Amino acid sequence: DGGITQSPKYLFRKEGQNVTLSCEQNLNHDAMYWYRQDPGQGLRLIYYSQIVNDFQKGDIAEGYSVSREKKESFPLTVTSAQKNPTAFYLCASSMSGADTQYFGPGTRLTVL
Amino acid sequence: GEDVEQSLFLSVREGDSSVINCTYTDSSSTYLYWYKQEPGAGLQLLTYIFSNMDMKQDQRLTVLLNKKDKHLSLRIADTQTGDSAIYFCAEPPNSGYALNFGKGTSLLVTP
Repeated sequence: DGGITQSPKYLFRKEGQNVTLSCEQNLNHDAMYWYRQDPGQGLRLIYYSQIVNDFQKGDIAEGYSVSREKKESFPLTVTSAQKNPTAFYLCASSMSGADTQYFGPGTRLTVL
Repeated sequence: GEDVEQSLFLSVREGDSSVINCTYTDSSSTYLYWYKQEPGAGLQLLTYIFSNMDMKQDQRLTVLLNKKDKHLSLRIADTQTGDSAIYFCAEPPNSGYALNFGKGTSLLVTP
């Protein structure tokens, strides 16, 4: 059963804590992406990776970090430096950069 | 840079047709996409159209493309309550490496 998985579906964090969101794909895609979604603001690109061991900042990278050690995995860490982290986070992948993107089910992060 | 533009809200009655409009930015885009997002879920690829086409029909969905005006529309015939969702228009980037998304149109279908 091919696709993109994200875990957990819901995540609660205390202020000042780092938290890592998981994204895994078994589509053999080279490119992976992280987006943040807030009500009324559409999707905003946080980071993207075109290939293993390489990634670039998107439009709102401050307070976030990523790694791409394996083709299948692209975890996102929300650090304590992110001032307003409560949001819905979406991971996506594509065969290569600028190709059709396929999305995971999302993780809703709430900071208490 | 320029944005992909969509109206934010649309409300229709069940059984009517819905038309969601989008203005994109790059006249050289090779294909354009429509994604659907149901509440609390990720985006689902709904359909796409190649730039050498004017229209694409897939069951209740009709996509119209006007390249001269850089206008894309999605028509949903016989709209059902299950069609209530956010619909995103997207085009390939003219720079960068991620699709360029509109802010999404929230479609509300009332009984």
